[in-house]
Amino acid sequence: GNSVTQMEGPVTLSEEAFLTINCTYTATGYPSLFWYVQYPGEGLQLLLKATKADDKGSNKGFEATYRKETTSFHLEKGSVQVSDSAVYFCARANQAGTALIFGKGTTLSVSS
Amino acid sequence: DGGITQSPKYLFRKEGQNVTLSCEQNLNHDAMYWYRQDPGQGLRLIYYSQIVNDFQKGDIAEGYSVSREKKESFPLTVTSAQKNPTAFYLCASSTDTSDTQYFGPGTRLTVL
Repeated sequence: GNSVTQMEGPVTLSEEAFLTINCTYTATGYPSLFWYVQYPGEGLQLLLKATKADDKGSNKGFEATYRKETTSFHLEKGSVQVSDSAVYFCARANQAGTALIFGKGTTLSVSS
Repeated sequence: DGGITQSPKYLFRKEGQNVTLSCEQNLNHDAMYWYRQDPGQGLRLIYYSQIVNDFQKGDIAEGYSVSREKKESFPLTVTSAQKNPTAFYLCASSTDTSDTQYFGPGTRLTVL
């Protein structure tokens, strides 16, 4: 089964609302964790990453903390904008370190 | 400008025909990847290459083939053996297989 699990979308928010997208993983050890964002019709862009437990990744107002106790890497933003509307993917490095394993993605829709 | 390019953006083919998708990078990355994206299924790894003249099957390699004759290029051939080839195909690269992956803009393949 998929070892990265994201909350199902779509997530629909009003502008300036608080965002949380949950992500949990199963793994042996402590793999690097990533959040990618995909805007309509485009490829994925790295949003942020964390390479070890308790690290906090941040970028463009988004944050995520590597929580080994709960095997989670939840994405948060304090005040979303319409331009944040996109699909967000959580990912972790696989055990061999040869590729990334992606969650199924969470669609975020922000309205003004 | 450094980056990853995929061409074409949209591709249409008749059933039973082989088709080759292009992926080029000028980031001097050793590792390159091909993913397939279907609605609601996230990204699934088709093939990856850690170095020139070497490549490995991913989770869904059946019906696909690749080559890695040059560091900059990692073309993907979708053969007639692939039962459901219509999808969005994403190419990525990284400095090595344990590091952040950078994605191209994708090719949307439609088989008629």
